[in-house]
Amino acid sequence: GQNIDQPTEMTATEGAIVQINCTYQTSGFNGLFWYQQHAGEAPTFLSYNVLDGLEEKGRFSSFLSRSKGYSYLLLKELQMKDSASYLCAVSDSGAGSYQLTFGKGTKLSVIP
Amino acid sequence: DSGVTQTPKHLITATGQRVTLRCSPRSGDLSVYWYQQSLDQGLQFLIQYYNGEERAKGNILERFSAQQFPDLHSELNLSSLELGDSALYFCASSPTPSVNEQFFGPGTRLTVL
Repeated sequence: GQNIDQPTEMTATEGAIVQINCTYQTSGFNGLFWYQQHAGEAPTFLSYNVLDGLEEKGRFSSFLSRSKGYSYLLLKELQMKDSASYLCAVSDSGAGSYQLTFGKGTKLSVIP
Repeated sequence: DSGVTQTPKHLITATGQRVTLRCSPRSGDLSVYWYQQSLDQGLQFLIQYYNGEERAKGNILERFSAQQFPDLHSELNLSSLELGDSALYFCASSPTPSVNEQFFGPGTRLTVL
């Protein structure tokens, strides 16, 4: 089975930087995803890491360490619209298919 | 807009009833996934179809079933509904079962009274 842990809630100030951590345990690791989800809306893709290291995309960066079962999402220059839940998801290549298992999400509140 | 469509947007029904949720994947995507999201749980994977065939099963109850039709749209059938089935149901699609990025539809909010 898989176990994905991330903090339940975080608060940060507009213009600041915030790091959301995710730890996971999986048997057939095939990549780690970060999704953003505003309340009541569909998750939207933010990033994908399959190799160790940092992937940067604009204000958002994601880091992966496969040996430690650890990832983080870094959000810079926070804006009010970044208030949302951030979902860490692990792809598991078991049973000939590729399934995404999601963590419960980290609810980020950006305050003025 | 991800290109994935789901209908209806909202559904209110009573316990014991049966409902059908519909999903049309993005143009060209062959794989469809269904997820359930309730308040106290994260996104829970239910089932995956690829080109009409069931590919993987997650935590799907026996009261729930799904299928994917030749035109690639998919339906999720929920029967003998219980209060605890109230949730957001998302459909997602990807080009193949081995492509990891999934594109999510807007969801169907099911309320069981």
